[in-house]
Order: sequence, then structure tokens, then C-alpha cells
Amino acid sequence: ETGVTQTPRHLVMGMTNKKSLKCEQHLGHNAMYWYKQSAKKPLELMFVYSLEERVENNSVPSRFSPECPNSSHLFLHLHTLQPEDSALYLCASSQGFGAYGYTFGSGTRLTVV
Amino acid sequence: QQQVKQSPQSLIVQKGGIPIINCAYENTAFDYFPWYQQFPGKGPALLIAIRPDVSEKKEGRFTISFNKSAKQFSLHIMDSQPGDSATYFCAASIKEYGNKLVFGAGTILRVKS
Repeated sequence: ETGVTQTPRHLVMGMTNKKSLKCEQHLGHNAMYWYKQSAKKPLELMFVYSLEERVENNSVPSRFSPECPNSSHLFLHLHTLQPEDSALYLCASSQGFGAYGYTFGSGTRLTVV
Repeated sequence: QQQVKQSPQSLIVQKGGIPIINCAYENTAFDYFPWYQQFPGKGPALLIAIRPDVSEKKEGRFTISFNKSAKQFSLHIMDSQPGDSATYFCAASIKEYGNKLVFGAGTILRVKS
């Protein structure tokens, strides 16, 4: 596989559930990102990892917990979410913080019921 | 200062028309301006990018015009086709801040056949 792969593509979860989103990049990049995309809003940067170290956390609620076990994999662990957390969650990767742009995955469409 | 303002929110043109999407920024330290294209069910994909040392860049039917003094840049799509119907995002980044991208809110383009 090539590019950035996200699983699952769709996820429906109750507010008391715990689930995880997975992202895998096959590009040899050294930075990875989680973005939240809601309707009619700019892409919201959630977390940035560089060389497996979290370098940015944009005031994201603690019910979202990222994990980067190696430079190819990124997870977003979810627990006790709210309905307003329903959105498309996008993973991206870049080389050197994106001097030449980011490569995005297709996203996970999350619905919290 | 870190915002990028994008307009219009949505745009409908006839096939063969030239849709124009505009973005404005405040922070003169921005030094990289990419445009991303997103089709339904997919993540954004890098379309074309420009740096502030040039006023125009063309790649196929896509052109970026850059006005450094006005702090504005725009995307023009020549001879637009129904297959160009997508959401377009402008973005900007600053090398000294790690090249992390700041995105506009997006423009939904529909090209009617």
C-alpha cells in the first residue's frame, strides 16, 4: 500500500464507548497530524507528532488521546465523547513539518450517538 | 494573525467557466501558500502551491495568483469541467513555525455540465 491509510472509514459510537482510530503512512515521512473536519469550518489541527514525539496539542479535550508508537503509525483513542465530536477525522503526514505539503488520508467519519 | 480567510463559501459555474477562489491573510511571515482539493469521501490532496517570491504559478488548468502587497492569493480554474466539482482549501505556513499549515474554511465548487 502507498500513501496514508485510515481505519475504520466509518464509526458509530455511543457516548460511553471507547474506540480507537488508526492511521498508517507508507511514505517515510517523519511528522504526523490529526485534524478534525466539521461542516462549514476550517480544518482544525488537533495534534502534531514529530519523530514519535508529540509537539503540539491544540487545546483538545482529554477525551481524545493520541498515540504514536513509531513514525509510521498514529492512533486517536476516544472515550466518553459528546455528540458535537461527530466529524470527519483526518490523518496527515509530511516530511519535515510539511515544507512541501501534507499527504492526507481519506478520513474516518465518526458519529457519536 | 494566524488565520486565512477564504471566499466564497460556495460557487457554481457552467462548464468552461473560470471559477476564482480568493484567500486573504494578515501575517506577513507566511512563506508557503498551497491549495488543496477534496472530493467527497476523500481527504484533501495537494493541488498547487506558491511561495511569495513569484506572482503567478500555473499547473495545467490551475493557476495561483499572488499579491504580496495586498496579502491575498487566489486560485483560478481555466476551462472548468464537472470533474473539478470539489471542495477547495487554501492554506499558509511559516517556515520558522515548523511549516505547520493554517487552512481556510473551504469553498464548495460545483461545475454544471
